[in-house]
Amino acid sequence: DVKVTQSSRYLVKRTGEKVFLECVQDMDHENMFWYRQDPGLGLRLIYFSYDVKMKEKGDIPEGYSVSREKKERFSLILESASTNQTSMYLCASRPTGFEQYFGPGTRLTVT
Amino acid sequence: QKEVEQDPGPLSVPEGAIVSLNCTYSNSAFQYFMWYRQYSRKGPELLMYTYSSGNKEDGRFTAQVDKSSKYISLFIRDSQPSDSATYLCAAYSSYKLIFGSGTRLLVRP
Repeated sequence: DVKVTQSSRYLVKRTGEKVFLECVQDMDHENMFWYRQDPGLGLRLIYFSYDVKMKEKGDIPEGYSVSREKKERFSLILESASTNQTSMYLCASRPTGFEQYFGPGTRLTVT
Repeated sequence: QKEVEQDPGPLSVPEGAIVSLNCTYSNSAFQYFMWYRQYSRKGPELLMYTYSSGNKEDGRFTAQVDKSSKYISLFIRDSQPSDSATYLCAAYSSYKLIFGSGTRLLVRP
């Protein structure tokens, strides 16, 4: 059974704080993704990585950065959190092919 | 124009009804199409996928793609309250999945 875990289910941070969201997958998948999900907007891709230390911008990378130092771990970093980054953040992993496996999500509130 | 469009609903039906969920897409190069189901406070899970045009059936679920009209459908027969969830359609394109915004379905007992 594929397992994608995210470090927190709920997180509350203050404006200007640096925020780290961690994602770990246990299936040796090459590809990992970070999305945010907002009502009416669906899932929007922030960043993805197809190998260790490799990263590609998605559709909405502004205000975010990522790190992938190990194959199983993909981190999303909000350098200076803002209220418009309040959202549900979803991590996913994928082997070669197209079937993606999602984590349970982190609901981040920035006050 | 979004590449994959989906009516957000909500769609409310009585138990046992046939449900039709639909998406349209704009890029004729899309070949693989997926349906994900997302329960409240959970991540999406893959329900079905189809390649190019045609139908695919899995139990009570049927996925259909009509490439001539760029239309993706998911049919649920004999709907159950446990089918209440948000359903997301997606198209695969160059490393990425492009998602519709999701349709919220409520099946009333």
